[in-house]
Amino acid sequence: GEDVEQSLFLSVREGDSSVINCTYTDSSSTYLYWYKQEPGAGLQLLTYIFSNMDMKQDQRLTVLLNKKDKHLSLRIADTQTGDSAIYFCAESNDYKLSFGAGTTVTVRA
Amino acid sequence: NAGVMQNPRHLVRRRGQEARLRCSPMKGHSHVYWYRQLPEEGLKFMVYLQKENIIDESGMPKERFSAEFPKEGPSILRIQQVVRGDSAAYFCASSLDQGEGYYGYTFGSGTRLTVV
Repeated sequence: GEDVEQSLFLSVREGDSSVINCTYTDSSSTYLYWYKQEPGAGLQLLTYIFSNMDMKQDQRLTVLLNKKDKHLSLRIADTQTGDSAIYFCAESNDYKLSFGAGTTVTVRA
Repeated sequence: NAGVMQNPRHLVRRRGQEARLRCSPMKGHSHVYWYRQLPEEGLKFMVYLQKENIIDESGMPKERFSAEFPKEGPSILRIQQVVRGDSAAYFCASSLDQGEGYYGYTFGSGTRLTVV
């Protein structure tokens, strides 16, 4: 099975909060990342969290890590139309990142 | 300071032809990583190269695929005798050195290979 799993789709109303969830299996993961991919573009690193942290906030983004359950989430406050994209969760403990299949977030007016 | 540059952006090849994908790392970076994204899947690690050396090619298919990162010039991912299953987006990333666990490197915009 996949090492990193995410739900495939999320629809959210503009102005609401989005929460994207991810689970991973590798307990030795050192860093966990969230990437954003817009259509036809590369992956943009949004934020990351070190495995000894349980929360990280960066402007509209909040990352929560439950290491015991191997669960990672990304909350986007006040979601805007420009937030429509595919969001990838990834983990690593060396130079190889393992990615989930991505969550397609659609923001509706 | 330009980011990771990949070209071409789109590449169409007939079955049996060769595909050559190029990646120019960020200025000063000597470590390059290639990933492949199959349709509706996440990125999968293929190969890690330093200048003139392949460090880890554990994610590369055993046949038809090769990669190099010469002393001068871009890194090249080469796929010989392409098949339809090679159709994917190929992404490259680079880093200054091999750090201590943090690999949130920036990816290029990718090359989207279509085999017809």
